[in-house]
Parts: sequence; C-alpha cells; structure tokens
Amino acid sequence: KAGVTQTPRYLIKTRGQQVTLSCSPISGHRSVSWYQQTPGQGLQFLFEYFSETQRNKGNFPGRFSGRQFSNSRSEMNVSTLELGDSALYLCASSETSGRADEQYFGPGTRLTVT
Amino acid sequence: DAKTTQPNSMESNEEEPVHLPCNHSTISGTDYIHWYRQLPSQGPEYVIHGLTSNVNNRMASLAIAEDRKSSTLILHRATLRDAAVYYCILRDGPGSYIPTFGRGTSLIVHP
Repeated sequence: KAGVTQTPRYLIKTRGQQVTLSCSPISGHRSVSWYQQTPGQGLQFLFEYFSETQRNKGNFPGRFSGRQFSNSRSEMNVSTLELGDSALYLCASSETSGRADEQYFGPGTRLTVT
Repeated sequence: DAKTTQPNSMESNEEEPVHLPCNHSTISGTDYIHWYRQLPSQGPEYVIHGLTSNVNNRMASLAIAEDRKSSTLILHRATLRDAAVYYCILRDGPGSYIPTFGRGTSLIVHP
C-alpha cells in the first residue's frame, strides 16, 4: 500500500496570508490527525478527523482549521499566518480512531512564514 | 490528559541492547502505551504499543510495569539506524484523545 502523502512538501508564505495543506491517508484508513512540529514546542497535536467529523482538537487558535472529505483525504487551513506558524506540519492516518490503533505519519509539509 | 516523562537523551554502542524508560504515573486504566520514533528529516514512525502485558514485534519489545506507571522500550541490538528521537505517548479513546508527544528521548548510537 502507498504510504501517507502530503502536499506540498515545502511552502513559503508571507505573514497575513492563508495556506491550505493536503493529506492523503493510507488506503482504507478513516482517521487523519494533524500535528505541528517546531524546535521550541516539539510535536503538538492539532486535530483529528474520523469519517468527516472532527473527533479531537488540540490547544490551537481558531486560525487553524481542518476538514476531511468522504474519501478520507484531509486538508488543514491556517488563516492570517504569523511568523510563529513556521513549522513542519505532519499528517498521520490510522484505520479507526481507536486507542490501540497505530498511526502512520507522512513526510510532512515544511511551512516557512516570512 | 495523562502525560509521560522521558529522559532527554541516552547513548548506546552499536549491537548492544538499549532500554528506553518512560514514566506515566497518571495513566488511566484504558490508556494504551504507544512508542514512536522519528529519524532525522522524517515523520515519526510507529514502533510498538501495549496495554498491560509485555509485547514483542520485529522492531522492539515493550515491557510494562505491573502498576502500569512506567514502561520500557527495549531495542535488543542497537544499530546506527536506530539513532532517532523516541516518543512514548498514551492513547485513550476518541473524544478524549489529545496525544502529548513531549520531547522524547534522543538516542545516540556509537559505532
């Protein structure tokens, strides 16, 4: 099976702009989670979607949003970008949203805000 | 959400066993213990998970304390490719799951 894919891999945006990142999960996986990774804060959970519904949400401002489509593909959007949003954004998929599920991570999208 | 505590870094020699500890004293009865690792310039990779009993797979073994307040990831023979940051996280069911990866343990493997 193909792994989790994320597009684009690299992105440079200007402060105040908005950005949309895409994630295609492993075929058959219905849960998609998003994470932000920065040197200062480490790996932080953004949100999780399962069957097009947001199941869990981390402690991030409302500028960070996401959605999941019927084919399980997911997008996350960041509006009004700030310099501090520069980070590696990781997507992970799992078969369901269960506590025993293994998560498979994509390579990430490196976002730089200038 | 329950948190985990791991040492910042550990060192090992190639082909020696490595024991990576994780404390999770506030673990609930339904939390699964998961381990992931992240190699440089890659996304995290699943290693192993367990609930109460010790677990083995092709990558590693997971030893869980009887009171479940701590666990140890065991790499039986470290290789240079095992140099990575190892994360121990607790996973509860949907609706209450906020995974906290923390800083993890940076494993350095010496040739």
